[in-house]
Amino acid sequence: DTGVSQDPRHKITKRGQNVTFRCDPISEHNRLYWYRQTLGQGPEFLTYFQNEAQLEKSRLLSDRFSAERPKGSFSTLEIQRTEQGDSAMYLCASSLGQSNTEAFFGQGTRLTVV
Amino acid sequence: AQSVAQPEDQVNVAEGNPLTVKCTYSVSGNPYLFWYVQYPNRGLQFLLKYITGDNLVKGSYGFEAEFNKSQTSFHLKKPSALVSDSALYFCAVRVPSGSARQLTFGSGTQLTVLP
Repeated sequence: DTGVSQDPRHKITKRGQNVTFRCDPISEHNRLYWYRQTLGQGPEFLTYFQNEAQLEKSRLLSDRFSAERPKGSFSTLEIQRTEQGDSAMYLCASSLGQSNTEAFFGQGTRLTVV
Repeated sequence: AQSVAQPEDQVNVAEGNPLTVKCTYSVSGNPYLFWYVQYPNRGLQFLLKYITGDNLVKGSYGFEAEFNKSQTSFHLKKPSALVSDSALYFCAVRVPSGSARQLTFGSGTQLTVLP
């Protein structure tokens, strides 16, 4: 499968714990995006990488959130001290380096904070 | 700031009838426009995009969309709906220049095709 893959698909955690998600983009894509989607809403932008550089961060990305893409390939999104409001679907997408190209999305990681 | 509005949360249509899912946008400058579809517990799947040129763009599964610059709209259409088209549809916009590289999505429209 050469699409965007995310791991894990589901994560249940207790409030206050830290969680980390992984995204493997399509191999030739140099842009990588993280989005958050809650029930009944469209995806909301969190952050964006071009190669290993994190070029944009949304105001939604509080200090408890951190994302990395250390070698310009896979990316991780970590949430520290999780809160119930963090419960959502976390989507990763990748694209080629031109703005006119579509982004391809992974199936997402569904986080439930109890 | 860029934004997208999908004025209908829910659209119901009978199988075999034409369908339209509405989208309007607000950006500074010329937009790149996209439609995605989402099936339950799945990621988003790309349907089609408008970049430049012909205002009518064709995409996957028989879908098409019409770009209307004066009305700032990009409505999704299909001449004959299938039950399998039932899903959540998202319109998205991106500006081709400037610092913002992300897609901005609408809130989605749930399409139900009735047999």
